[in-house]
Amino acid sequence: KAGVTQTPRYLIKTRGQQVTLSCSPISGHRSVSWYQQTPGQGLQFLFEYFSETQRNKGNFPGRFSGRQFSNSRSEMNVSTLELGDSALYLCASSHLGLAGGGTGELFFGEGSRLTVL
Amino acid sequence: GNSVTQMEGPVTLSEEAFLTINCTYTATGYPSLFWYVQYPGEGLQLLLKATKADDKGSNKGFEATYRKETTSFHLEKGSVQVSDSAVYFCALRGPAMVDSGAGSYQLTFGKGTKLSVIP
Repeated sequence: KAGVTQTPRYLIKTRGQQVTLSCSPISGHRSVSWYQQTPGQGLQFLFEYFSETQRNKGNFPGRFSGRQFSNSRSEMNVSTLELGDSALYLCASSHLGLAGGGTGELFFGEGSRLTVL
Repeated sequence: GNSVTQMEGPVTLSEEAFLTINCTYTATGYPSLFWYVQYPGEGLQLLLKATKADDKGSNKGFEATYRKETTSFHLEKGSVQVSDSAVYFCALRGPAMVDSGAGSYQLTFGKGTKLSVIP
């Protein structure tokens, strides 16, 4: 069974640009979450999607947005990039029911490492 | 809000030494608790979990017991190997309700503890 796939793995952007990151969840998983990992702040929750609906959102500015498609694939977008957006962006999927049942295990991809110059 | 505090690293141990990584949490209700591990250049992998008080999670020789009275979930291993070198994250999933009334799988993570095991 293929794991969570994130693309691209590495990218370099300059301040003011925008970036789109893609995540393909494990087949059959309908829930996708995104996390930002930095040395200073650690792992911080960005968003969670289930069946194309954003169910939960972390404390990030509006420059960070995301969406989920009917095939459960997800994208996140960061506009007007700032130096502080340099981070590893991790996507995770889970076999989540609408009522939130299950063990809560998240399966993570290897991440997209964004460097903003 | 929810929070997780784990011991500062890095931790350096000799092979076959005993490992403890402390983790305490603050949460409302009865959270589920997790330990994730991140090997260099990789994403996070679930190491073990516990969903209610007094549960013991175990995997690959690692153990952690959900202690509600001390709000702790310390990770232990009796004999570490070089291959255990990684960053370990303690995490919790709180009572999982969001505005829509549906469940949420948002995890709150600790800062991570880097473990290096030397031969």
